[in-house]
Amino acid sequence: DARVTQTPRHKVTEMGQEVTMRCQPILGHNTVFWYRQTMMQGLELLAYFRNRAPLDDSGMPKDRFSAEMPDATLATLKIQPSEPRDSAVYFCASGLVGGQYNSPLHFGNGTRLTVT
Amino acid sequence: EDQVTQSPEALRLQEGESSSLNCSYTVSGLRGLFWYRQDPGKGPEFLFTLYSAGEEKEKERLKATLTKKESFLHITAPKPEDSATYLCAVQASIDYGQNFVFGPGTRLSVLP
Repeated sequence: DARVTQTPRHKVTEMGQEVTMRCQPILGHNTVFWYRQTMMQGLELLAYFRNRAPLDDSGMPKDRFSAEMPDATLATLKIQPSEPRDSAVYFCASGLVGGQYNSPLHFGNGTRLTVT
Repeated sequence: EDQVTQSPEALRLQEGESSSLNCSYTVSGLRGLFWYRQDPGKGPEFLFTLYSAGEEKEKERLKATLTKKESFLHITAPKPEDSATYLCAVQASIDYGQNFVFGPGTRLSVLP
């Protein structure tokens, strides 16, 4: 079974440090999403890419978050500088979406970020 | 704005006690409604896609149904291994990006 792979699984860092999360989407999927999950807010969309081009990043705090897709096998989410309120689980998901495609999203197991 | 709400927030059932979870949505043209199961420490796992009112899908003890305003996930004779958080999401047909909007989930506990 093809899977979305996220690294690292856990990250503990101090406030002000840079954090980079990585995602390997399922081969052949054209859309990659980044979500953040907290108890209070549930799953919030941060950004997503179609065919590696950013479609929407309006969910991200622009001054500190950035998302990129340097190639079809890697998506990254970076936080610089990190703050305690960024503590959450960050999920990457991929799917065949748009046009005639209508597949469900497949999720990785997330990166649990703790900022102290 | 597309919105999804789910009820109840949490549900405790005895093993074998059937029940239903609700997902209510408002969306500008529904492209699809998706049900996911999420276990602690894991990402959401896909269960069903429903596309139009009246459609039903079944998998083991789970059956999902769809109307124009809501979807139900019926759980028949649940077992403890069905304990999880169940999420629903909608995808709008007029949204160029066809983003997925998720509800807050229902935490289901099935007691032996």
